[in-house]
Amino acid sequence: DVKVTQSSRYLVKRTGEKVFLECVQDMDHENMFWYRQDPGLGLRLIYFSYDVKMKEKGDIPEGYSVSREKKERFSLILESASTNQTSMYLCASERGRGGETQYFGPGTRLLVL
Amino acid sequence: AQSVTQPDIHITVSEGASLELRCNYSYGATPYLFWYVQSPGQGLQLLLKYFSGDTLVQGIKGFEAEFKRSQSSFNLRKPSVHWSDAAEYFCAVSGSARQLTFGSGTQLTVLP
Repeated sequence: DVKVTQSSRYLVKRTGEKVFLECVQDMDHENMFWYRQDPGLGLRLIYFSYDVKMKEKGDIPEGYSVSREKKERFSLILESASTNQTSMYLCASERGRGGETQYFGPGTRLLVL
Repeated sequence: AQSVTQPDIHITVSEGASLELRCNYSYGATPYLFWYVQSPGQGLQLLLKYFSGDTLVQGIKGFEAEFKRSQSSFNLRKPSVHWSDAAEYFCAVSGSARQLTFGSGTQLTVLP
């Protein structure tokens, strides 16, 4: 069974703090993704990575950065958290390219005060 | 650019009744289409996917979906809903960019 884990289920941070969200997958998947989920908007892609040390911007990258130093780990970084980044963050991994199944972690619910 | 529309924000059905969740997509060629389910407090789980071939796709938990190119639709169906099916359902499309674009989701409530 594919397992995608996220470092925290709930997180409360203050405006201006640097926030790290960690994601680890155990199935040697090449591709990893970060989404944010907001009511009425579905999931929106923030960043993705097809290989170690490789990253590409998704649809809403502003205010975020990512790091992928190891194949199994993909980190999302909020350099200076703002209240409009309060959201549910979902990580996913996928084998290969082109229409494969994405496997999701349980999500991190982030509240920025 | 690819897009997905789920016109129903919230649907309520009685347990044992049939279910159809609507999904319309926009993409120039034949897309890859997916349905995911999200139970409360959980991540997303794949129900089924369509790549090519038979336009009627069977998935897990008794769900099926039918790809209709002429209507740009990929509606999800289940003949008899169970209380455990209460969740949020997302349709998604993947095109040449190899990235998933999700719809806004449909929340399903099941009445006893």
